[in-house]
Amino acid sequence: DVKVTQSSRYLVKRTGEKVFLECVQDMDHENMFWYRQDPGLGLRLIYFSYDVKMKEKGDIPEGYSVSREKKERFSLILESASTNQTSMYLCASTNNQPQHFGDGTRLSIL
Amino acid sequence: RKEVEQDPGPFNVPEGATVAFNCTYSNSASQSFFWYRQDCRKEPKLLMSVYSSGNEDGRFTAQLNRASQYISLLIRDSKLSDSATYLCVVNLRNFNKFYFGSGTKLNVKP
Repeated sequence: DVKVTQSSRYLVKRTGEKVFLECVQDMDHENMFWYRQDPGLGLRLIYFSYDVKMKEKGDIPEGYSVSREKKERFSLILESASTNQTSMYLCASTNNQPQHFGDGTRLSIL
Repeated sequence: RKEVEQDPGPFNVPEGATVAFNCTYSNSASQSFFWYRQDCRKEPKLLMSVYSSGNEDGRFTAQLNRASQYISLLIRDSKLSDSATYLCVVNLRNFNKFYFGSGTKLNVKP
C-alpha cells in the first residue's frame, strides 16, 4: 500500500516566519505534488516535481518554493509566511496515476 | 472558466436512496478521470477510476461521456457512511497535471 507521509498534521506559525512542510513517499514515485485546499476553492496546485531536482510551477506558486533533493522527499517552503497562507496543505505522489495523498497539514499563520 | 466543475450540494438523501453526481470538464484533451472521496478534515482518497466503457464497484457506478465532457457517479442504496464530499478529478497526462473539482457534499440521513 502506498504511504505518503506529511511531517505535521497541525502547525501554527507567525507572520514572516520561514515555514517548511515535508512530504515523504515510500513507493519510488517519480511525480510529487503540493496542493492547498480552501473552502469553496477546492484543491489548487502550488508546485509539482517529476524528478529529483526538477520542479514546475502550478497554478498558485507565489509565496512558495519547493525542494526535491531526494526522490522520496518533496518539501514545500513558505519563504515569509503570511496570514493568507493559512490553509490545508496536501502532498500527493504518483507514477502513472492516480494520485495518493498524505494526511494533510493544517497550517495556521498568526 | 474552471477546468472542472461540480455542483457543491449539499445533497441530502435518506438511507437507501440512489443519488447521482455529475462533473463537467472543459479540456477535450483530458485523458484520465477519477472520483475521490474526502471526509471532513481528512485527505482525499481514491474511490474509483472512470473508464470509457463505464465501470462499477459494488454500489458505485462511474460513467464517462466524452462527447458532452462530463463524468458521473451513481451511488445505490446509500449508507450513512457514504456521507462525505466527492471530488471529481481530471488528468491531462501530457502535462502531468490533475484538475480537481471543488467537490459535491453528500449527507445521508437515517
